[in-house]
Amino acid sequence: GAVVSQHPSRVICKSGTSVKIECRSLDFQATTMFWYRQFPKQSLMLMATSNEGSKATYEQGVEKDKFLINHASLTLSTLTVTSAHPEDSSFYICSAQGRNGYTFGSGTRLTVV
Amino acid sequence: QKEVEQNSGPLSVPEGAIASLNCTYSDRGSQSFFWYRQYSGKSPELIMSIYSNGDKEDGRFTAQLNKASQYVSLLIRDSQPSDSATYLCAVKVGTTDSWGKLQFGAGTQVVVTP
Repeated sequence: GAVVSQHPSRVICKSGTSVKIECRSLDFQATTMFWYRQFPKQSLMLMATSNEGSKATYEQGVEKDKFLINHASLTLSTLTVTSAHPEDSSFYICSAQGRNGYTFGSGTRLTVV
Repeated sequence: QKEVEQNSGPLSVPEGAIASLNCTYSDRGSQSFFWYRQYSGKSPELIMSIYSNGDKEDGRFTAQLNKASQYVSLLIRDSQPSDSATYLCAVKVGTTDSWGKLQFGAGTQVVVTP
């Protein structure tokens, strides 16, 4: 079946630094990649949608200069959290849309100290 | 008004009983609906998708869709302790099939008691 590999699974970073999260579709081409954020006890909130080779579309209230998304190929998308702050601590999940629907990555637990 | 609504629970279900989960949505034009299970600290995993009115069964799971009433439900038969998780209802929104985004409900926590 379709697999999306997401790395790292956990990361702790200092306030003010940047963190890059990678999502790779291993056995299919992901035409579209979705990036979600999930705070404790809350549901998944869509941050942005990206199509290969084009600029990402950000949801209202999500700062595009803070959450940089690159979708350079049909198998790789990255989310970079720039100048991270403690309030950015969350569970970040990618989801790739391929021919057979949506496949989620395993998530990245980001803790900013 | 939230676009996808679920009861947050927790829904306590005795082992072996049926768990019934409900979800309502606001976009009458929505055509694709999904149920995901999420264990604590893990990403969601797809249980079922449903696109047509009526029932769809897969093992111990049955999804029911009623577009006129804008609700979708999930039944879990013979509930097991391993079914204890948060169940997320998701509705596909957007105007093109090529990249319709999912709108998630807040999730219903299910606790199956031995």
